[in-house]
Amino acid sequence: DAGVIQSPRHEVTEMGQEVTLRCKPISGHDYLFWYRQTMMRGLELLIYFNNNVPIDDSGMPEDRFSAKMPNASFSTLKIQPSEPRDSAVYFCASSWTENTEAFFGQGTRLTVV
Amino acid sequence: QKEVEQNSGPLSVPEGAIASLNCTYSDRGSQSFFWYRQYSGKSPELIMFIYSNGDKEDGRFTAQLNKASQYVSLLIRDSQPSDSATYLCAVTQSGGSYIPTFGRGTSLIVHP
Repeated sequence: DAGVIQSPRHEVTEMGQEVTLRCKPISGHDYLFWYRQTMMRGLELLIYFNNNVPIDDSGMPEDRFSAKMPNASFSTLKIQPSEPRDSAVYFCASSWTENTEAFFGQGTRLTVV
Repeated sequence: QKEVEQNSGPLSVPEGAIASLNCTYSDRGSQSFFWYRQYSGKSPELIMFIYSNGDKEDGRFTAQLNKASQYVSLLIRDSQPSDSATYLCAVTQSGGSYIPTFGRGTSLIVHP
């Protein structure tokens, strides 16, 4: 398996625009996580899915953020409208169970200007 | 919010020395503990996990867990410049969801 695949690797967008981040988890993993990493707040869990079902989205900062997992091999994180304070590295990770090793994608560096 | 605390560092050690990284956590019911390494500009990768009190060794790395005192540590023996990275502690929470909570990480610098 090629590991967790995220796209795009870098995204620069203007404030107010819609941003969509994509993730392909490792085949067979039942859990998918979206994290955001900043210098100020570290690695924060935004939302996680179990078998494509969102389980806990309490980390999603506000209604501008939404995430979907239409099937076992694909997930999206959408920000609409984007704001400069959303600038961060967004990681997708997957794992077999909720408390085993999480495999991280390479991340998407988002810059909102 | 259950806390996982790490000293942000940087921790600077000479090559060949032992680096000691510490992590404390607030949830007394936590069961699983992980150490991830993150190189600058890269994603975190797991280097150690530990579930039971005591020491667990893997090559140059030793994880130490003390549930009574609620801390977990990572020792790196014979530190190498290639060990320079940020080390993230992750601790699973009790009470229904066992998703790990990450600390903010400790930056380690190993100088030649």
